[in-house]
Amino acid sequence: DTGVSQDPRHKITKRGQNVTFRCDPISEHNRLYWYRQTLGQGPEFLTYFQNEAQLEKSRLLSDRFSAERPKGSFSTLEIQRTEQGDSAMYLCASSAQGHTGELFFGEGSRLTVL
Amino acid sequence: AQSVTQLGSHVSVSEGALVLLRCNYSSSVPPYLFWYVQYPNQGLQLLLKYTSAATLVKGINGFEAEFKKSETSFHLTKPSAHMSDAAEYFCAAGAGRGGYNKLIFGAGTRLAVHP
Repeated sequence: DTGVSQDPRHKITKRGQNVTFRCDPISEHNRLYWYRQTLGQGPEFLTYFQNEAQLEKSRLLSDRFSAERPKGSFSTLEIQRTEQGDSAMYLCASSAQGHTGELFFGEGSRLTVL
Repeated sequence: AQSVTQLGSHVSVSEGALVLLRCNYSSSVPPYLFWYVQYPNQGLQLLLKYTSAATLVKGINGFEAEFKKSETSFHLTKPSAHMSDAAEYFCAAGAGRGGYNKLIFGAGTRLAVHP
């Protein structure tokens, strides 16, 4: 399977703990995106990378959130000191340059903060 | 700021009936517009996209959408619904610095198809 993969698929944590999600994009895609989706809502943009450069971050991405893509391949999204409001599905997507808006999404990582 | 509104969080149709899912966008510049579909336990998949070429766009699985600038709409249609079309559908608009590098999604419309 050469699609976008995310790990873990489900994470349950206690408030105040740190969590990290990993995304492996389609190998030839140089753009990688993180979105957050809550129940009854569409995906909300968090941030995106072109190769290893983080080009845009949403205001939704508070200081507790950090994303990296150190070698321009996989990416990690870390949430520090989790809060109950962080409970959501975290989606990763990738796209090829020149294919504006044609995002390939992973199945998501569901976070539950108790 | 760019925004996308989907009218109707749930739509139910009979198998074989017309499917119409509504999407309106707000933008000060002509946008890139998209429809994505999400089947249960799967990631979002691109159905079709509008990028200022033809105003009637055809996508996969018999879906199409028409860009109407005067109405700021991009409604999704399919002449005859199939049971396999049951899913959640998201309209999205391209936005962002230096081009349309991020998508702004609507809240989604869940389509149910009954026999």
